[in-house]
Amino acid sequence: SQKIEQNSEALNIQEGKTATLTCNYTNYSPAYLQWYRQDPGRGPVFLLLIRENEKEKRKERLKVTFDTTLKQSLFHITASQPADSATYLCALDMLDSGGGADGLTFGKGTHLIIQP
Amino acid sequence: GAVVSQHPSWVICKSGTSVKIECRSLDFQATTMFWYRQFPKQSLMLMATSNEGSKATYEQGVEKDKFLINHASLTLSTLTVTSAHPEDSSFYICSARAEGPDTQYFGPGTRLTVL
Repeated sequence: SQKIEQNSEALNIQEGKTATLTCNYTNYSPAYLQWYRQDPGRGPVFLLLIRENEKEKRKERLKVTFDTTLKQSLFHITASQPADSATYLCALDMLDSGGGADGLTFGKGTHLIIQP
Repeated sequence: GAVVSQHPSWVICKSGTSVKIECRSLDFQATTMFWYRQFPKQSLMLMATSNEGSKATYEQGVEKDKFLINHASLTLSTLTVTSAHPEDSSFYICSARAEGPDTQYFGPGTRLTVL
């Protein structure tokens, strides 16, 4: 079965530094990978999507890389701010060649804390 | 961006009662909506895929007779938890797909507590 691993321990970063979060997956070859932000008691908010044929995607202070050989995605927040503190979720599509279920499979998320 | 709402945002009910949760796409039509469940410190788990005008597709291990899904229009899907029990207490989140396989917008979630 598909398995997504994110560092479940909280990640503490000093304000202004770059935060790097990791998402590893096994037993699957996703067509795309997504990153979401989730605040306590709230639904996920879409941040970035990267496709299997893309190496890197950027959006303002956010950068995502996707290595399909390593089966890994890295999520970077540059010039981090306390307001960036949240849980960040990695999600893979569940599309398969047979056009099956097309919801998302989520990792448990990494809790990021940006300290002033 | 596209907005998805859920109602209610939280609900407390007695064991054995049924609870209905609504998911609405406010500014777009969604042919497909998804229902997820999230337990504390756990990942979101897909429960079912709801397609407008047809029966929902449930994930393995999710009881379709317990979690009734109705997608009567392109902007509304409902999830009814029938005969709710304390173990059904969770955070229920819906998402709606506007167009294409990769554009899902999530609702704010509904916190269900069954006493």
